[in-house]
Amino acid sequence: TQLLEQSPQFLSIQEGENLTVYCNSSSVFSSLQWYRQEPGEGPVLLVTVVTGGEVKKLKRLTFQFGDARKDSSLHITAAQPGDTGLYLCAGDSSGTYKYIFGTGTRLKVLA
Amino acid sequence: DAGVIQSPRHEVTEMGQEVTLRCKPISGHNSLFWYRQTMMRGLELLIYFNNNVPIDDSGMPEDRFSAKMPNASFSTLKIQPSEPRDSAVYFCASSGAGRREQYFGPGTRLTVT
Repeated sequence: TQLLEQSPQFLSIQEGENLTVYCNSSSVFSSLQWYRQEPGEGPVLLVTVVTGGEVKKLKRLTFQFGDARKDSSLHITAAQPGDTGLYLCAGDSSGTYKYIFGTGTRLKVLA
Repeated sequence: DAGVIQSPRHEVTEMGQEVTLRCKPISGHNSLFWYRQTMMRGLELLIYFNNNVPIDDSGMPEDRFSAKMPNASFSTLKIQPSEPRDSAVYFCASSGAGRREQYFGPGTRLTVT
């Protein structure tokens, strides 16, 4: 069974700080996604990466796909309270768009 | 445009009862996914359909769970009989043909007492 481990599991930081969340697996993925989920809502897609070494930016969020396509990171610059939520990575190892979700990182940004 | 619609939003039932969760995907999307989310196990894929046909149901926990998609605009997930360990938030998601982006509904919070 594929396993996507995310670290840290919980993170509480002050507004303005930077942070990095990691997503690791022993499997190779054809694509990997990052989602953010707020309480009482479904996950919302932030980005999809498909090429090893690929870097994508979404405002203050930077996503990187590992060269071997087994891991990914999400870096947030100058975090804001609005960034609070559960961050989930999801990987597709079969190329069938069937995504397996990671264990999640729960982020809280304090004002 | 309306997103993915799920009903009911909350369901409380007693052990042994039948539960039916409903989903209306985004119009024009041809793939539909059912997920279950718990604190212990995270977000798990139960089953997904492509063009109304079940493609992979390997995530369905046991025979008490069944899913149907009679047409492109409607799907159900049924649990019969329900058990307390089925308590979770159940999400439906849809995606367009050849697209990786999944759009999630707001979920149904199921509590089985």
